[in-house]
Amino acid sequence: AQSVAQPEDQVKVAEGNPLTVKCTYSVSGNPYLFWYVQYPNRGLQFLLKYITGDNLVKGSYGFEAEFNKSQTSFHLKKPSALVSDSALYFCAVRDDSGAGSYQLTFGKGTKLSVIP
Amino acid sequence: DVKVTQSSRYLVKRTGEKVFLECVQDMDHENMFWYRQDPGLGLRLIYFSYDVKMKEKGDIPEGYSVSREKKERFSLILESASTNQTSMYLCASRRGEQYFGPGTRLTVT
Repeated sequence: AQSVAQPEDQVKVAEGNPLTVKCTYSVSGNPYLFWYVQYPNRGLQFLLKYITGDNLVKGSYGFEAEFNKSQTSFHLKKPSALVSDSALYFCAVRDDSGAGSYQLTFGKGTKLSVIP
Repeated sequence: DVKVTQSSRYLVKRTGEKVFLECVQDMDHENMFWYRQDPGLGLRLIYFSYDVKMKEKGDIPEGYSVSREKKERFSLILESASTNQTSMYLCASRRGEQYFGPGTRLTVT
């Protein structure tokens, strides 16, 4: 079974400060990891993914995420937050082991608020 | 750009009605998915389809069925809507990462 935990329901950060949204995962095989963002009354938009290779992944809108296998984490980061980054962020995992490999398991989401 | 469209943004139905939610993608993706999103619960997979006429149950299939007669279209059916099916419904299609539609906010009264 695969699972994702986003330990913070809400994160608040001042504009211009660095931000981190945390994610930990559990899979039986190797993980494929994803971050999505959802703006109010919208669907989810893909931000970035980790499949293999470099542990630091760069994505859309200046976001990046660091894969840490020993800590089973995939935290989302941005060096300087913008008010427009305020949204709901979802981490997701897929197991590459084959069985059920089409399915993504999502975390419960973290609401990011960037304060002007 | 990948485009996933859903037939309605907002829908209000009465308890016991049969409800159809339609999803269309224009990128020839084989895999399509239906999720529901509820506050504090994140996204939960209802059903997915990995090819035409193929379907698999997700984590919460009870009370729902699906239809995939053509590759580009994946329909979610609520046979007899109930108030606990009031939710945001999201469709996605996949090659690599999943691409999501804008969502349908369904209210069952």
